[in-house]
Amino acid sequence: GAGVSQSPSNKVTEKGKDVELRCDPISGHTALYWYRQSLGQGLEFLIYFQGNSAPDKSGLPSDRFSAERTGGSVSTLTIQRTQQEDSAVYLCASSLGGGRTYQETQYFGPGTRLLVL
Amino acid sequence: GNSVTQMEGPVTLSEEAFLTINCTYTATGYPSLFWYVQYPGEGLQLLLKATKADDKGSNKGFEATYRKETTSFHLEKGSVQVSDSAVYFCALRQNTGANSKLTFGKGITLSVRP
Repeated sequence: GAGVSQSPSNKVTEKGKDVELRCDPISGHTALYWYRQSLGQGLEFLIYFQGNSAPDKSGLPSDRFSAERTGGSVSTLTIQRTQQEDSAVYLCASSLGGGRTYQETQYFGPGTRLLVL
Repeated sequence: GNSVTQMEGPVTLSEEAFLTINCTYTATGYPSLFWYVQYPGEGLQLLLKATKADDKGSNKGFEATYRKETTSFHLEKGSVQVSDSAVYFCALRQNTGANSKLTFGKGITLSVRP
C-alpha cells in the first residue's frame, strides 16, 4: 500500500515569502506528526494531530509556523515570511491513531527539503 | 524535559567490522526507545525498538538493549556491510500522555568501506 507522501520534494524560496508544505498520511491513519530536520538542531517535533482533537502545537518554533489538517487526512504546514534559518527538511509521519498512540509505529514520509535564499 | 544524546560522528568502518553506536537518554518515567535509520535518498525508517527495561530490540543483524540502570540504548552489529551506510537516530517516546511525539538524538552518519 501507499506510504506517507509529501510534496513538494524540494522547495527553494526567497526570504520573506510564504510556503506551504503538504503531507498525505497513510490511508486510515488518524495520528499525524510534523518534524523538522536541520543541520544545527537535528530532528525536532513541530506539531501533532490526533483525530478531531485540538492539535498539540508545542513544538512550533514561532508564530510564523502554522499547520492544519482538513477532513482528518491531508495536512498542510505553512511558514509565513520565511527566514534563512527555516531551511531544513520537513518530515511528516503518521500512525494508526488508536487509543494508545504511544504504542504505535510512526511511518515517515520522504520529506520536503526547504531552502530559503 | 526529555532528551537523547548520541555519540559524535561520523563513523567510518571497514566491511565486517563490529559496530557500536552509543545512545543515552533523559526522561521521566519509563519511555519506549527506538533506533531509526535513514538510507541515502530515502525516508526515515524504524530499525528496532524496545518498550521496557531489559528488552532487546533486533532487526537486520542490529541489536540494542534497554538499560534502565545506565539509561542507555546502544546499537550494535557484529559485522557491518556496505549497505548499512546510513544515518542512525536514537529516539524515545513517553508511554503516557496525549502526545506521543518522538524525541530524537542528533543522528550519526555511518560509512562502511568495502
